[in-house]
Amino acid sequence: DTGVSQNPRHKITKRGQNVTFRCDPISEHNRLYWYRQTLGQGPEFLTYFQNEAQLEKSRLLSDRFSAERPKGSFSTLEIQRTEQGDSAMYLCASSGTSGGASADTQYFGPGTRLTVL
Amino acid sequence: RKEVEQDPGPFNVPEGATVAFNCTYSNSASQSFFWYRQDCRKEPKLLMSVYSSGNEDGRFTAQLNRASQYISLLIRDSKLSDSATYLCVVRPGGSYIPTFGRGTSLIVHP
Repeated sequence: DTGVSQNPRHKITKRGQNVTFRCDPISEHNRLYWYRQTLGQGPEFLTYFQNEAQLEKSRLLSDRFSAERPKGSFSTLEIQRTEQGDSAMYLCASSGTSGGASADTQYFGPGTRLTVL
Repeated sequence: RKEVEQDPGPFNVPEGATVAFNCTYSNSASQSFFWYRQDCRKEPKLLMSVYSSGNEDGRFTAQLNRASQYISLLIRDSKLSDSATYLCVVRPGGSYIPTFGRGTSLIVHP
């Protein structure tokens, strides 16, 4: 399967613990995005990488959240000192390398569902 | 005002019906427009891009009205399998960051 993959698919943690999620984008894609989605809402943008450079972060991303894409391939999203309000689906998406309409198309992974108890 | 607004629905229609969704956006500099489909507890998947001239893909037709800043999605001859949430996505010019609407829920019943 050459789509976007995310691990783990589900994570249950206690408040105050740290969690880390991984995203493996489509191999030829240089753009990678992290989103958070809660029930009844659309995906909310968290952060964006072009290759290994983190080019933009949402104001939603508090200092407890950090993301990396060290070699421009896979990415990790870490949440420190989790809070119950962090419970959500965390989605990763990647998109293409060149300009044009096809470069805009985002391909999503299946998401990591986080539950903070 | 939210950047991208959609009626959350649900729209409850019988099989075979025609249904239309609208989505309004606030940023007049928006450049790219899309409809994504999201099934329950699944990831969003691209349904179609929306071009200025409008575009059609089988039973699905998307239109863009830049003057009034809205896009629309028309589904003809609804199938049970069309039941899903339809997300409107808008990307401003000069940015690679899209904004998603909250989605419109469609339920097609027998």
